[in-house]
Amino acid sequence: EVQLVQSGAEVKKPGESLKISCKGSGYSFTSYWIGWVRQMPGKGLEWMGIIYPGDSDTRYSPSFQGQVTISADKSISTAYLQWSSLKASDTAMYYCARLHGGNSGFDYWGQGTLVTVSS
Amino acid sequence: QSVLTQPPSVSAAPGQKVTISCSGSSSNIGNNYVSWYQQLPGTAPKLLIYENNKRPSGIPDRFSGSKSGTSATLGITGLQTGDEADYYCGTWDSSLSVWVFGGGTKLTVL
Repeated sequence: EVQLVQSGAEVKKPGESLKISCKGSGYSFTSYWIGWVRQMPGKGLEWMGIIYPGDSDTRYSPSFQGQVTISADKSISTAYLQWSSLKASDTAMYYCARLHGGNSGFDYWGQGTLVTVSS
Repeated sequence: QSVLTQPPSVSAAPGQKVTISCSGSSSNIGNNYVSWYQQLPGTAPKLLIYENNKRPSGIPDRFSGSKSGTSATLGITGLQTGDEADYYCGTWDSSLSVWVFGGGTKLTVL
């Protein structure tokens, strides 16, 4: 069974750093792109970027380029999303999702990681 | 403002049919596959339709997808109260080199 399991909720202060994770299982982790999607409270889905764990090829949405870093450790089938200096506006739910072949759609999603940034 | 335009809300009675539209341009819907996602309250999105009109295993045939030119449509027949959710379309935008989602449509089953 394909699963993406994300790390737990985080409460941070502005200016702090954070790295959240997404562990894949039940499939060849290195053969599928993994994307990250932000959902701010009460809002829609925003694509942040994507990584191919096989060779760590990474693409970012211009809206998030320079604001976050996407990485992966294929030895433990885990993708990461990290911030070096959080802002209150980073408060959101973050989802990882597997891209099903080409650009056909995101077929499996993690359960989400809620990040709250507050002083 | 989303690159893909969806109606903010739609509603229909149980057992009826509803359609949700998704309008884009030649750089996204016009030349790329469209997928649709259902997000039940408090849960992660779930893939309903991929490659414009294909259903993943386990998705009932009450859900259908179609694409024509730069627009796509999600159809849901035999509406159930459990279908109340937010629905999003998504596709790749070749000009922006980003994946784009519609703003989402809230379905109410009256």
